Amino acid sequence: AQSVTQLDSQVPVFEEAPVELRCNYSSSVSVYLFWYVQYPNQGLQLLLKYLSGSTLVKGINGFEAEFNKSQTSFHLRKPSVHISDTAEYFCAVSPSGYSTLTFGKGTMLLVSP
Amino acid sequence: EAGVAQSPRYKIIEKRQSVAFWCNPISGHATLYWYQQILGQGPKLLIQFQNNGVVDDSQLPKDRFSAERLKGVDSTLKIQPAKLEDSAVYLCASSDQRGEAFFGQGTRLTVV
Repeated sequence: AQSVTQLDSQVPVFEEAPVELRCNYSSSVSVYLFWYVQYPNQGLQLLLKYLSGSTLVKGINGFEAEFNKSQTSFHLRKPSVHISDTAEYFCAVSPSGYSTLTFGKGTMLLVSP
Repeated sequence: EAGVAQSPRYKIIEKRQSVAFWCNPISGHATLYWYQQILGQGPKLLIQFQNNGVVDDSQLPKDRFSAERLKGVDSTLKIQPAKLEDSAVYLCASSDQRGEAFFGQGTRLTVV
């Protein structure tokens, strides 16, 4: 079984500041890792994914994440956030590609001017 | 390309009533998922279809929830009877052979 822990329920940050959203996972098997974003009253949109290869993954909207197997982490980063990045961010794991995703509880990113 | 369509967007019902949600996946997507997202939590998989067959329904409360995907296209999720704890957003997603799941906007259910 897999589980995901997102350590922060809310992260407030000022516009143009850097941000890191933390994600740790637990699994007895190799996993695939994902970050999704959910804007208010919208469905989830894939930001980026780690399936294999380079541990630094670049996604859409300037986000990137680094897979750290020894620390079982997959933290999401952006060097300079915009107001439009205000949304809820979910980390997810899967044992087999995209199917049967297990999500964390989410982190609300609040960007203020 | 049209996305995953869900209806209704919002539904309010009284406990013990029944309710149904509809999902139309992206054309050509063989895999369809229903997720339940309770306020303050991440989405939880309820059921996964491959064409019109069930792949995983281990977390579906089968005493009150049912789902079908006739002809391997549209899908309906039904709750009968509803409980207060069923209040949540119900998300439908579909994926093609490459596997990336695309999500609909969801149906927000409030049980009073």
